[in-house]
Amino acid sequence: GAVVSQHPSWVICKSGTSVKIECRSLDFQATTMFWYRQFPKQSLMLMATSNEGSKATYEQGVEKDKFLINHASLTLSTLTVTSAHPEDSSFYICSARDNMNTEAFFGQGTRLTVV
Amino acid sequence: AQSVTQPDIHITVSEGASLELRCNYSYGATPYLFWYVQSPGQGLQLLLKYFSGDTLVQGIKGFEAEFKRSQSSFNLRKPSVHWSDAAEYFCAVDKGGGFKTIFGAGTRLFVKA
Repeated sequence: GAVVSQHPSWVICKSGTSVKIECRSLDFQATTMFWYRQFPKQSLMLMATSNEGSKATYEQGVEKDKFLINHASLTLSTLTVTSAHPEDSSFYICSARDNMNTEAFFGQGTRLTVV
Repeated sequence: AQSVTQPDIHITVSEGASLELRCNYSYGATPYLFWYVQSPGQGLQLLLKYFSGDTLVQGIKGFEAEFKRSQSSFNLRKPSVHWSDAAEYFCAVDKGGGFKTIFGAGTRLFVKA
């Protein structure tokens, strides 16, 4: 299957700072990328959907000004958690798909800890 | 709106015993269906998927799942569980063609010796 890489795998940041997480499709062009958040012992909750070159579509209850998503190229999407607070600590997972595949491919996730 | 229900929060099975994890979906048409496994602190691994055709789908690690349209179900099975199968299992659904994947709440599998 296709490969999606997330970076970093884990990050610790101070409260009030911003953190950027990258999601790259390594061997295909990702026309659509998705960002999920997973709290401990819970399921994956979709945060937003982004199409290359367009503004992201956020799910209800997700603050677009806090979670900035950029999908500027067909192989890269970034999620920036702005002014992070301890309650933003979570596991963030991206997925990507192209126009040909019937499924999305998932990155390995990023563990964010805000202290 | 489409949704996915995994009625069992956790299941405990003896090693060597058979396993069935339940999944029901709510969607007008036949969606694309998936089962993923997640070990603690790890990402997702795709076990199997159903798009169309044969309703019994074979996956990796000896898992299989059966799509039953009449019951809107896509239950995951394994004839003999190994201790290494202990993990969180997620059923997921999407409409295909670039649409978002929606996950069930997950079922935690415990395997006892």
